[in-house]
Amino acid sequence: AQKVTQAQTEISVVEKEDVTLDCVYETRDTTYYLFWYKQPPSGELVFLIRRNSFDEQNEISGRYSWNFQKSTSSFNFTITASQVVDSAVYFCALSEAGASGTYKYIFGTGTRLKVLA
Amino acid sequence: EPEVTQTPSHQVTQMGQEVILRCVPISNHLYFYWYRQILGQKVEFLVSFYNNEISEKSEIFDDQFSVERPDGSNFTLKIRSTKLEDSAMYFCASKGLSTGELFFGEGSRLTVL
Repeated sequence: AQKVTQAQTEISVVEKEDVTLDCVYETRDTTYYLFWYKQPPSGELVFLIRRNSFDEQNEISGRYSWNFQKSTSSFNFTITASQVVDSAVYFCALSEAGASGTYKYIFGTGTRLKVLA
Repeated sequence: EPEVTQTPSHQVTQMGQEVILRCVPISNHLYFYWYRQILGQKVEFLVSFYNNEISEKSEIFDDQFSVERPDGSNFTLKIRSTKLEDSAMYFCASKGLSTGELFFGEGSRLTVL
């Protein structure tokens, strides 16, 4: 079974603090893909990053960084020097090939991040 | 920048009525999806569509739901007889590569009274 767990339901930080959003996944496949999406208060889902199961290199993009560790089945997301505009719900997602060969994407329950000024 | 567009942005309907939600995926994309999000909850997979047929569907996607790509550009989700519990935000998504990221539309909010 495929499962994505985001244990942190809600996190509040003060502006300029660093914050890490946790994501733990379960899959039986050796080939899979992991994603993070941001859902701001306006409601749309914005793609942030994609990582395949063979690439464990961490990635940094501006204030965002991602730590992928296959050994612990985790794909954590860190925002450095958080800003009020980072306030949103963040979803981690996993995709693997379904029975039809088409990739199915499963989302975690999301972590609501509130950045206070 | 190409984007997925959805209409209507908000629809209010009476229980038992039929609803059609429309999506225009990114033009060179081949894989299409519908997801729904009940207010404040997780984003749930409904159905995936490729090569003019459903490739996978969830247990939520029962006989009341159907999808169609009638003209090569639009991708529609039909709910035949809406129930109160169908009230949710419905997201259409598309992707170009089988293993690529999904690009989502801004969603269609459905309210069933």
